[in-house]
Amino acid sequence: QVHLQESGPGLVKPSETLSLICAVSGGSISSDYWSWIRQPPGKGLEWIGNIYYSGSTKYNPSLKSRVTISVDTSKNQFSLKLSSVTTADTAVYYCARGPMVTQIHYWGQGTLVTVSS
Amino acid sequence: QSVLTQPPSASGTPGQRVTISCSGSRSNIGSNTVNWYQQLPGSAPKLLIYSNNQRPSGVPDRFSGSKSGTSASLAISGLQSEDEADYYCTSWDDSLDGHVVFGGGTKLTVL
Repeated sequence: QVHLQESGPGLVKPSETLSLICAVSGGSISSDYWSWIRQPPGKGLEWIGNIYYSGSTKYNPSLKSRVTISVDTSKNQFSLKLSSVTTADTAVYYCARGPMVTQIHYWGQGTLVTVSS
Repeated sequence: QSVLTQPPSASGTPGQRVTISCSGSRSNIGSNTVNWYQQLPGSAPKLLIYSNNQRPSGVPDRFSGSKSGTSASLAISGLQSEDEADYYCTSWDDSLDGHVVFGGGTKLTVL
């Protein structure tokens, strides 16, 4: 059974870079699409971006200038970096996997990242 | 403002049939398939319907999806108390080099 686990700081200061890692177990990262999705408290889901196992990426146009998603096949994990964060970036961040970008069959439990000084 | 438009709320009584709509445009729903997710309180979303009307293994056949033109719908028949959750539609949008778009979500209340 595929299991995804997000990890990273729960608190980030404004203007700094948010960095998260998603560790994948129970399956290889060398297939499918790997995504980051976030959900501000009390609000809906927002797609951040995704990476195909080969390394090709797609990003949310509204976040593209600040987002980098990368994959490390040797460690079976992928990561998210979001630069120049503001309080608007406070959210639960989910990592996810699916055979297609919009068809996500596996989700991590989510990790709350708060942006505050 | 979400690219896909959903009603913010819906409700029904146990046993009833309820539908949730998802309206988009030619660049998203009009050109690509629609998927639906269920998010129970405090949990990660769960894939409910993919490719417009396909159910993943384990999803009851009480849940069904359909698509017509630039709109899609999720129907839940035989409503149960455990169906109380937030529901999101999503699709690929061909504009701006391509990206995923979500609906704003619909909170379903079982009365």
